[in-house]
Amino acid sequence: AQTVTQSQPEMSVQEAETVTLSCTYDTSESDYYLFWYKQPPSRQMILVIRQEAYKQQNATENRFSVNFQKAAKSFSLKISDSQLGDAAMYFCTSGGTSYGKLTFGQGTILTVHP
Amino acid sequence: EAGVAQSPRYKIIEKRQSVAFWCNPISGHATLYWYQQILGQGPKLLIQFQNNGVVDDSQLPKDRFSAERLKGVDSTLKIQPAKLEDSAVYLCASSLDLVNEQFFGPGTRLTVL
Repeated sequence: AQTVTQSQPEMSVQEAETVTLSCTYDTSESDYYLFWYKQPPSRQMILVIRQEAYKQQNATENRFSVNFQKAAKSFSLKISDSQLGDAAMYFCTSGGTSYGKLTFGQGTILTVHP
Repeated sequence: EAGVAQSPRYKIIEKRQSVAFWCNPISGHATLYWYQQILGQGPKLLIQFQNNGVVDDSQLPKDRFSAERLKGVDSTLKIQPAKLEDSAVYLCASSLDLVNEQFFGPGTRLTVL
């Protein structure tokens, strides 16, 4: 069984500033993946970043990076140099490698102020 | 590369009516997922197919929901009869296999009156 918890229903950031979204998870899988997905208003879900649990190195994709603490079961997303287009609902998800099912957190609405 | 296609984009029905949603995954993707996303919540998996076989349907309300994936490509999700609490966005996603990124379609927004 997997659970994903996002404790921040809403976050806001000024354009060009940095913001961190929090996520904790629990899983019975020995091998799993963690993802952050972004869902802009009325637009479809897209992948932001992916982390394989067996990798110690934190994933980075341009302005997006994660802080993966496996022992603490924590997986936060840092957005640097925030842009207006980053405004969206962000979902933290986990998936086991055995069957691919994704478990989603409740989401964090990110507002970017100009 | 064409993305995941879904139709219709919007549907309004009255309770106790039937409705069907269609999904065309990305070509070559073996795994197909249907999620239900209630407003303000994260998506919840309803059913997962690997080719044309069901991998997980543990959260599918089987008394009213059904899904099929003929020939391991397109899929349809049906609700019969619909209830008010079925109002949600129904998302289809596909992936190359069980461990790769899932690509999502635009979703079908269902309103049950």
